[in-house]
Amino acid sequence: QKEVEQNSGPLSVPEGAIASLNCTYSDRGSQSFFWYRQYSGKSPELIMFIYSNGDKEDGRFTAQLNKASQYVSLLIRDSQPSDSATYLCAVSPPNQAGTALIFGKGTTLSVSS
Amino acid sequence: NAGVTQTPKFQVLKTGQSMTLQCAQDMNHNSMYWYRQDPGMGLRLIYYSASEGTTDKGEVPNGYNVSRLNKREFSLRLESAAPSQTSVYFCASSADRVYQPQHFGDGTRLSIL
Repeated sequence: QKEVEQNSGPLSVPEGAIASLNCTYSDRGSQSFFWYRQYSGKSPELIMFIYSNGDKEDGRFTAQLNKASQYVSLLIRDSQPSDSATYLCAVSPPNQAGTALIFGKGTTLSVSS
Repeated sequence: NAGVTQTPKFQVLKTGQSMTLQCAQDMNHNSMYWYRQDPGMGLRLIYYSASEGTTDKGEVPNGYNVSRLNKREFSLRLESAAPSQTSVYFCASSADRVYQPQHFGDGTRLSIL
């Protein structure tokens, strides 16, 4: 069974610190990896995607992918109270598998001022 | 840019009533999805449509039907609503099923009494 695992949290960090969110996945054939942010009562919003091993940076956000170890992480530098939300990791199935993105249950991040 | 539009935003039904949730996207996406989100359960895929003219079951299809009316529209129908279907429902779309990110609508909060 294809799975995406995330620590539910809450992950608490002080303002200005680095928040590190982790995600592991079970299917070695997965090709695409996404991070979504979901504020309470709102819909998921795409913040990062990564397809290749290594790091991808976008502003204060860095996505890291290690396909050999089957994990993907999201680093948030200079964390702000506005970053407090639930972060969902999503992983694509192999192309031949008849399904859609597989979402983790999310990690709740709390940034204190 | 409307993106993904869901209607209605809120609905209260009585057990046994039927209703259709509407979803439309203006991004010319091929694939569309219906999810439900319950506390502690994460996003669960109900049905998806990889391309116009096709629909497939997701993780929790029982009690639901879908129609891909055209490339833009994908509706979700509850034929005989049950209290267990009380949830927040999200529609999403993507350019393809596997490699591209999904974009979400604002959601429909459905309560069944």
